[in-house]
Amino acid sequence: DAGVIQSPRHEVTEMGQEVTLRCKPISGHNSLFWYRQTMMRGLELLIYFNNNVPIDDSGMPEDRFSAKMPNASFSTLKIQPSEPRDSAVYFCASGTNQETQYFGPGTRLLVL
Amino acid sequence: AQSVSQHNHHVILSEAASLELGCNYSYGGTVNLFWYVQYPGQHLQLLLKYFSGDPLVKGIKGFEAEFIKSKFSFNLRKPSVQWSDTAEYFCAVNGWPGRRALTFGSGTRLQVQP
Repeated sequence: DAGVIQSPRHEVTEMGQEVTLRCKPISGHNSLFWYRQTMMRGLELLIYFNNNVPIDDSGMPEDRFSAKMPNASFSTLKIQPSEPRDSAVYFCASGTNQETQYFGPGTRLLVL
Repeated sequence: AQSVSQHNHHVILSEAASLELGCNYSYGGTVNLFWYVQYPGQHLQLLLKYFSGDPLVKGIKGFEAEFIKSKFSFNLRKPSVQWSDTAEYFCAVNGWPGRRALTFGSGTRLQVQP
C-alpha cells in the first residue's frame, strides 16, 4: 500500500499567489481530513470529507481557503490569495469508519 | 469545548530510563483515543489506539497506554527508552458526537540522550 500521497512536499511562494495542495488518500478509505500544523497552534483540523462530501469545515480559517474532493481518490486544498501567516505544514489523512486515520508526509508551505 | 491536554511539553531522558507521558481529555462520553509519533521532519505515525475492551493497549516499538475512564486519561508508557525514540508524541481523541476528526494535544517533545 502506497499510503497517503501528498504533493508538493515543499512549496515556497510569494504573498498574494495562489497555492494548491494535493492529496491522494489510501484506496478504500472513505474519509479524508486536512490538518495544519504550526508552532503556535499545533495540529488543527481544517476540513474533513466523508464519501467525498464535506462534513465539517469549521476549521477553515477564512474564505481564502477552499477544499474540494471531486472523487474518492483525490482532494485539493487551495489558498487564494496566500499570506505569510499561512506558512505551516499541511497534512492530509485518510481513514475508514473504524476511525483510525493515516497521515501523509505533509506539504511544508512557506509564504514570503 | 472538547479538549486534549498533554502536561509534559519537553521531556529529557537517558537511554534505558522509563517513560510516561500524560494525556487527559475533557469529554465524559465514549471516545476513541490515539497516540501518534512524529520523528524529526517526518509525518505522524500511529503508535497505538483504544476503541473499547482491555484498557491496557499495546502498540508498536514497545509502547503501551492505559485508558482510565474515571480520570479521563490515556497515558503513554515505555519501560526502557532508546535514543531512536527521540520524537514528538501527540495524544489525540475523536468520537465526540458528530465529530470524527481528531482533536490533538499540544504534543510532548521527547529527547533521549545516549
